[in-house]
Amino acid sequence: AQTVTQSQPEMSVQEAETVTLSCTYDTSENNYYLFWYKQPPSRQMILVIRQEAYKQQNATENRFSVNFQKAAKSFSLKISDSQLGDTAMYFCAFMEYGNKLVFGAGTILRVKS
Amino acid sequence: DGGITQSPKYLFRKEGQNVTLSCEQNLNHDAMYWYRQDPGQGLRLIYYSQIVNDFQKGDIAEGYSVSREKKESFPLTVTSAQKNPTAFYLCASSIDSGGTDTQYFGPGTRLTVL
Repeated sequence: AQTVTQSQPEMSVQEAETVTLSCTYDTSENNYYLFWYKQPPSRQMILVIRQEAYKQQNATENRFSVNFQKAAKSFSLKISDSQLGDTAMYFCAFMEYGNKLVFGAGTILRVKS
Repeated sequence: DGGITQSPKYLFRKEGQNVTLSCEQNLNHDAMYWYRQDPGQGLRLIYYSQIVNDFQKGDIAEGYSVSREKKESFPLTVTSAQKNPTAFYLCASSIDSGGTDTQYFGPGTRLTVL
């Protein structure tokens, strides 16, 4: 069974600085998709970024970028110029063909002013 | 506005009662999903449906039931057989069936058993 591990239960960062959240996963498949979701205090799950495993180029969405290392099965999220609104729980998730998502336990990120 | 709505936002249930959580989407998505979230844990899949009148069990289906009579609606019933139903429930949808499409989430329902 696929597993997703987020080894950092909590992290904090100063406003305007950069922070990296870690995620590793386990699969024997070659084709799959990886996601980062953000869950702010409102508890709404918001898609941050998506990466296709067949693409070598790392995905980027404004201040959010990933470092996808397929051989190492690693998928970290970098948040640049952190803002107070980035304070949230961040979940890494894995999907194979068939649309079934497997989530990690999450990392609480606190942005301090 | 297109999106996914869940109701109610908060729900209280006495032990032994069945309750139904509503999920509606107007995104014209084919697939819909129900997840459960417990404190300090990620989301776990309860049930999913890729097409009307069809659905499959997820990882933690025991004590839950669903129906998919309309494309827009995917209600979840938490039955009295669910041993520990207090949790946050999230509904999601995606555009296609059987593919690898991004899932978009509703705002969730917090269920508390008294």
